[in-house]
Amino acid sequence: QVHLVQSGTEVKKPGSSVKVSCKASGGTFSKNFVSWVRQAPGQRLEWMGRILPISGTAKYSQKFQDRVILTADDFASTVYMEVSSLRSEDTAVYYCARDDDIAIDTYMDVWGKGTTVIVSS
Amino acid sequence: SYVLTQPPSVSVAPGQTARITCGGFNIGSKSVHWYQQRPGQAPVLVVYDDSDRPSGIPERFSGSNSGDTATLTISRVEPGDEADYYCQVWDGFSDHVRVFGTGTQVTVL
Repeated sequence: QVHLVQSGTEVKKPGSSVKVSCKASGGTFSKNFVSWVRQAPGQRLEWMGRILPISGTAKYSQKFQDRVILTADDFASTVYMEVSSLRSEDTAVYYCARDDDIAIDTYMDVWGKGTTVIVSS
Repeated sequence: SYVLTQPPSVSVAPGQTARITCGGFNIGSKSVHWYQQRPGQAPVLVVYDDSDRPSGIPERFSGSNSGDTATLTISRVEPGDEADYYCQVWDGFSDHVRVFGTGTQVTVL
């Protein structure tokens, strides 16, 4: 059973960037997409985009496509999410999650524990 | 953009049945997935494709979807079911994003 291990808490200044990692443990991503979902304090879940590690193909939510870059190192079974031009509203817990299928309307069946990103001056 | 509306909260006594609705225009034409999120934890998939259960999820969790409403039903509610629940679909018509519902907090009395 694959587990997703995410990097630790980050505290960043407004205007800076943050890069969060997500590594598959106990297995690989195989041919699954990996999605990123964020949750601001007290708010609902928000899907940011997804990447296919084996090819690097990424699809973004329109809301994030100008400030978010998803990358992958398939040999290391690790995907990365970088957010630039951080603002206070980006303070949230960021989750990576494995898509069950290549279909875009699929579900996310394995989740990382989340990475807290705090943006504060 | 596509909107999914859930009741903010549902309260239920142990052993009773909790029903959580997820309203959206013609949601019956979409595949609906449900996630459970306990405080301070990551979401867990409890129902996918309207009514299927992942392995390890009790049969007490079931789902249905028709018309403008999808429903997650939790039978014989236990204290451990206390959590937030989110529905999720793919919006392939306007924003081309995965959309989550507003979330429902289930309280076990």
